Amino acid sequence: KNQVEQSPQSLIILEGKNCTLQCNYTVSPFSNLRWYKQDTGRGPVSLTIMTFSENTKSNGRYTATLDADTKQSSLHITASQLSDSASYICVVSPGGSYIPTFGRGTSLIVHP
Amino acid sequence: DGGITQSPKYLFRKEGQNVTLSCEQNLNHDAMYWYRQDPGQGLRLIYYSQIVNDFQKGDIAEGYSVSREKKESFPLTVTSAQKNPTAFYLCASSPPGGLVLAYNEQFFGPGTRLTVL
Repeated sequence: KNQVEQSPQSLIILEGKNCTLQCNYTVSPFSNLRWYKQDTGRGPVSLTIMTFSENTKSNGRYTATLDADTKQSSLHITASQLSDSASYICVVSPGGSYIPTFGRGTSLIVHP
Repeated sequence: DGGITQSPKYLFRKEGQNVTLSCEQNLNHDAMYWYRQDPGQGLRLIYYSQIVNDFQKGDIAEGYSVSREKKESFPLTVTSAQKNPTAFYLCASSPPGGLVLAYNEQFFGPGTRLTVL
């Protein structure tokens, strides 16, 4: 069964600090992995998308890494801002299918 | 201005009523999806459609129905058979060639929050 596990479930950090969120998956065959940011009460917005041949991708202060061998990904947020407070969702798409598998998300709270 | 729109943003339903959630996209995407999101859970797939006049059940289709008469529109009806409909509903779409393109990704609408009174 395809699964995506995210950790931690929730995280509280101070403004200006860095943090790293983790994603482990068992989706096979692998097509791509995406990280989304979801603000409370809104739809998810894509941050990064990586295929198996990519091991890092950046989007401003967000940097995602992918290790296709160990089936792990991380999202690193640098110099956090209050606006980074949101849920971060890891999504993995299998090859040959329209249907991705979603993680439950990590809830990040950035305090001033 | 391209994107996905959902309406209404908030919806209240009395028990026993059917309600329909709207989803429209002008991205020229072939595939469209409906998800349900509950607190502390990942998104769960209700229905999806790859082309006009065709759709498939997802993991939690019971109590829901959809139609895909136009490429741009994929409305979801929450019927009285759905025993616990209070949730946040998200519509998404993805571009053509979803089975092939490695960079295929889903674009989400702003969501509709449904509450049963």
